Amino acid sequence: DVKVTQSSRYLVKRTGEKVFLECVQDMDHENMFWYRQDPGLGLRLIYFSYDVKMKEKGDIPEGYSVSREKKERFSLILESASTNQTSMYLCASRTQGGYGYTFGSGTRLTVV
Amino acid sequence: AQSVTQLGSHVSVSEGALVLLRCNYSSSVPPYLFWYVQYPNQGLQLLLKYTTGATLVKGINGFEAEFKKSETSFHLTKPSAHMSDAAEYFCAVSGRNNNDMRFGAGTRLTVKP
Repeated sequence: DVKVTQSSRYLVKRTGEKVFLECVQDMDHENMFWYRQDPGLGLRLIYFSYDVKMKEKGDIPEGYSVSREKKERFSLILESASTNQTSMYLCASRTQGGYGYTFGSGTRLTVV
Repeated sequence: AQSVTQLGSHVSVSEGALVLLRCNYSSSVPPYLFWYVQYPNQGLQLLLKYTTGATLVKGINGFEAEFKKSETSFHLTKPSAHMSDAAEYFCAVSGRNNNDMRFGAGTRLTVKP
C-alpha cells in the first residue's frame, strides 16, 4: 500500500513563526498536493507539485509556499504564521495517470 | 473550473436503514468524480470513483454511486447502514488532468442503534 506520512500530528506555533509541514510518500508518485481542511468548507487546495522543483498554486496559496527538492518529499511553509492559518493540513499524492489521491493522516496546526 | 455541492452537512440514519448522501457537481469538461470517507483523526480514504464507462460504480464497504450527467449528480448510497459507517464523507470532482481535484464541504453521517 502507498503510504503518505506527515511528520507531525499536532503542532502549536506562535504568531509570526516560520512553520514547516513535512510530507513524505513512499511509492514514487509524481504528483503531490497540500490541502487545508476547515469545518463547513471541506478541503481547499493550497499548492500542488507535478515534479521535482515544480509547483503550481491552488485556490488559496496566499501566506504559504512549498518546496519539493526530492520526489518523495513535499514541504508546506508558512512564512509568518497567523491565527487564521489554524487548521488541519492534509498532504496527498498520486501517480501520473492515476485517479484517486492517497492522503496522509493530517497535521492539526494551532497558531496562538 | 470544477466545483461540488454536497446537500446536507449532517445526515442521521438508523442502523440497517438506507444511506443516501447527495452530491451535485459543476464542470466545464467531462469530470472524474470521487467519494472519500474520513474517520476521526485520520486522512481521507477513497471509497469509489467514476472515470469513464459504467455509470453505476461500486466501492468498498458496500457503497455505490451513480453518475447522472443530465442531473449533474453523483449521489452515494448504501442499502443498509452499519454503525461502522459513521464518518465524514466528501464528494470530489476533477478534470481530466486530475491535478485540480475540488472537494465538497463534507457530510457527517451518524448511525443510530
